[in-house]
Amino acid sequence: KAGVTQTPRYLIKTRGQQVTLSCSPISGHRSVSWYQQTPGQGLQFLFEYFSETQRNKGNFPGRFSGRQFSNSRSEMNVSTLELGDSALYLCASRFEEEQFFGPGTRLTVL
Amino acid sequence: SQQGEEDPQALSIQEGENATMNCSYKTSINNLQWYRQNSGRGLVHLILIRSNEREKHSGRLRVTLDTSKKSSSLLITASRAADTASYFCATDATSGNTPLVFGKGTRLSVIA
Repeated sequence: KAGVTQTPRYLIKTRGQQVTLSCSPISGHRSVSWYQQTPGQGLQFLFEYFSETQRNKGNFPGRFSGRQFSNSRSEMNVSTLELGDSALYLCASRFEEEQFFGPGTRLTVL
Repeated sequence: SQQGEEDPQALSIQEGENATMNCSYKTSINNLQWYRQNSGRGLVHLILIRSNEREKHSGRLRVTLDTSKKSSSLLITASRAADTASYFCATDATSGNTPLVFGKGTRLSVIA
């Protein structure tokens, strides 16, 4: 089975722009979670989607949003980018209790 | 906010030595999981231990869980240079319906 894929792998944006990241889970996995990883805050949970519905949400501002499609692929969007949004964004698909992570998207905001 | 806190933050050992990392958490859990991350890449699931288990083994990994102290430890025996990575504990409160909460990790360096 193919693993979790994320695109793009690297992204450079400027403040005020918006960005969309994509995640394709492992085939058959219906749950997709997003995390933000920074050196200062570590891994912070953003949100989880299950069967196209947001099931859980972390403590992030409304500029961070996501969605899931009928094929379980998920996208997350960050609007009005800030310097502090520079991070590694990780997506994970879940089967029962175990999460399988993608390689991440490294976002740099200048 | 982080549920798990790993200790130490960084650890440097020689190849062949054992490495022990500890994790403390704050609230009740259903299970605790350990993950490895190489150089800012995705996390890899290592092992899961349920709240009713006290010890679990997987190859060179040994995990213990003490729910009375809300702590867990990960032991890597006979370490190799390829074990160099960051190790995270993650707690699962409800076994699949709530998000995992990760600690900040222990950075392990194994010197050949």
